[in-house]
Amino acid sequence: DIQMTQSPSSLSTSVGDRVTITCRASQSISTYLNWYQQKPGKAPKLLIYAASNLQSGVPSRFSGSGSGTDFTLTISSLQPEDYATYYCQQSYINPWTFGQGTKVEIK
Amino acid sequence: EVQLVQSGAEVKKPGESLKISCKGSGYSFTNYWIGWVRQMPGKGLEWMGIIWPSDSDTRYSPSSQGHVTISADKSISTAYLQWSSLQASDTAIYYCARRYGGNDRYYFDYWGQGTLVTVSS
Repeated sequence: DIQMTQSPSSLSTSVGDRVTITCRASQSISTYLNWYQQKPGKAPKLLIYAASNLQSGVPSRFSGSGSGTDFTLTISSLQPEDYATYYCQQSYINPWTFGQGTKVEIK
Repeated sequence: EVQLVQSGAEVKKPGESLKISCKGSGYSFTNYWIGWVRQMPGKGLEWMGIIWPSDSDTRYSPSSQGHVTISADKSISTAYLQWSSLQASDTAIYYCARRYGGNDRYYFDYWGQGTLVTVSS
């Protein structure tokens, strides 16, 4: 299985901050990389697909980049509703695997 | 509107069997894979497997193979996840999700609300 490693595991931030989360794959996955947001008690929500494509309806403060093994999710100016856990996921090969998650908390 | 509606929470004893469901609506159910994702208490997301409802072609993760069965009834646009003998370690929230695949892009674009399965003696 392809291992996905996110960093950091958690971070404390303030509203308006720029937030960057990284995701590394154990082998090259081209751009078969997706990002999801999950709030407590809710199902995950797709934010970014194919590394850099914003899902319809997702605010433009979210962006993604990368290819091969290294990827980044950036929130340009954190809003109160963005406090959540974020997961990367590779869809290059079955079984699809997720990163361990990054919890974004209020400072 | 695309929707995936899952069956309600379950409380079971170890060794019991269980089948949970995921009903799709608002799209052509047979034209998309449906996946199942596990989330153990306080933990991350784990891909369990996927099914093509049109012909029930199924793929499992190595950790799920042999322990769960994924099936679908296309006549009622419903996918299932079932256990023949539950273990305490099966306690988790289970999500179904629609797999989009096209133009060399693959992702889960719609998710069910989740089904909490609690296995306890």
